[in-house]
Amino acid sequence: KQEVTQIPAALSVPEGENLVLNCSFTDSAIYNLQWFRQDPGKGLTSLLLIQSSQREQTSGRLNASLDKSSGRSTLYIAASQPGDSATYLCAVARMDSSYKLIFGSGTRLLVRP
Amino acid sequence: NAGVTQTPKFQVLKTGQSMTLQCAQDMNHEYMSWYRQDPGMGLRLIHYSVGAGITDQGEVPNGYNVSRSTTEDFPLRLLSAAPSQTSVYFCASSDGQGHTFGSGTRLTVV
Repeated sequence: KQEVTQIPAALSVPEGENLVLNCSFTDSAIYNLQWFRQDPGKGLTSLLLIQSSQREQTSGRLNASLDKSSGRSTLYIAASQPGDSATYLCAVARMDSSYKLIFGSGTRLLVRP
Repeated sequence: NAGVTQTPKFQVLKTGQSMTLQCAQDMNHEYMSWYRQDPGMGLRLIHYSVGAGITDQGEVPNGYNVSRSTTEDFPLRLLSAAPSQTSVYFCASSDGQGHTFGSGTRLTVV
């Protein structure tokens, strides 16, 4: 059974720091991995999608990497800002016709001014 | 572009009442799904559909029904609401290149 773990559960950093959020999964047979952002009381906003054949994706100050063989993904946030404060979720899509998403429990990020 | 639209945004039900949570997408995605989000439990899959006329159960399907008569719509029905169904419900759609989520329905069952 696929399990997704995110470490740390919570993180508080001063503004301007570069930071790394970690996501690990137990079954390497994934279709893709997606990072989401969720603000309190809001929905999920897609940040980056990495297909199983890719190693990384970049969008602005965000960079996500994928190492299927070790079952790991990282989300790198450069020059963090208070507006980056949110919960970050990673989810893996199963490599079957169901295309189900398995979510991690998230990392709550606070960027202090 | 509307994306994935969920209605209502908030709902309070009494135990035993029934209701339908609406979900519509305008991206012509074949795949649609429903998740619930609970503190300490994360997001869990309730039901999903890989195309019109095809539905299947997810991880926590009990107490919920779905149907998919069109590509655009995927309603979630609560047959007899229970306090354990108090949660935030998210609908999602995908074309196989990543999922797009709606803004959610916050449901309280009293």
